[in-house]
Amino acid sequence: EVQLMESGGGLVQPGGSLRLSCAVSGFSLSDHYMDWVRQAPGKGLEWIGHSRIRINSYSIEYAASMKGRFTILRDESSNSLYLQMNSLRTEDTAVYYCARVLGRGYYDYWGQGTLVFVSS
Amino acid sequence: DIQLTQSPSLLSASVGDRVTITCRASQGISNYLAWYQQKPGKAPKSLIYAASTLQSGVPSRFSGSGSGTEFTLTISSLQPEDFATYYCQHVDSYPLTFGGGTTVEI
Repeated sequence: EVQLMESGGGLVQPGGSLRLSCAVSGFSLSDHYMDWVRQAPGKGLEWIGHSRIRINSYSIEYAASMKGRFTILRDESSNSLYLQMNSLRTEDTAVYYCARVLGRGYYDYWGQGTLVFVSS
Repeated sequence: DIQLTQSPSLLSASVGDRVTITCRASQGISNYLAWYQQKPGKAPKSLIYAASTLQSGVPSRFSGSGSGTEFTLTISSLQPEDFATYYCQHVDSYPLTFGGGTTVEI
């Protein structure tokens, strides 16, 4: 059974850092592209970025508002995806989801999400 | 960036109704569009990809159509478990973007 489980959310002060984790099971991270998506309270979905790694091929893209502050990392030995978030702002308060990519960019599986609250 | 505009933003319907949600792209995106369903407090669920292909396990009352700039999600006979918010997403080019959502309420 395919499962994605985010963790690492919590309360952080503006300007602080946080690393989110997405542990996957039921498939190998090395066989799939993965994305991060977030959702601010009461708002819609917002794409953060993706991580696409194949032999001799490496691609990471980020949304403009997060580029330079957010970094997507992968540890295929532990089947885990990470989102390193630096210089956090109050507007980064959201539920953060990892999602498995089904070709082209479509998602087939989502994690349950982890809440990040940026406040002083 | 490609903008996606969903309409309506709120739709009131009854069980058994045929429901149609529209998603318009600011430029042509071929058939590179997906639909997701989200219930309150839950993660989104993937319904349709490539504009009209149902994800595995999705009931056949859901269907998608369209290409270019105009797309529709249709629920042929609304069921109680279908009351939720629906989002479209394009995967034509980066950055990927989502529509603003359509809430289907009783």
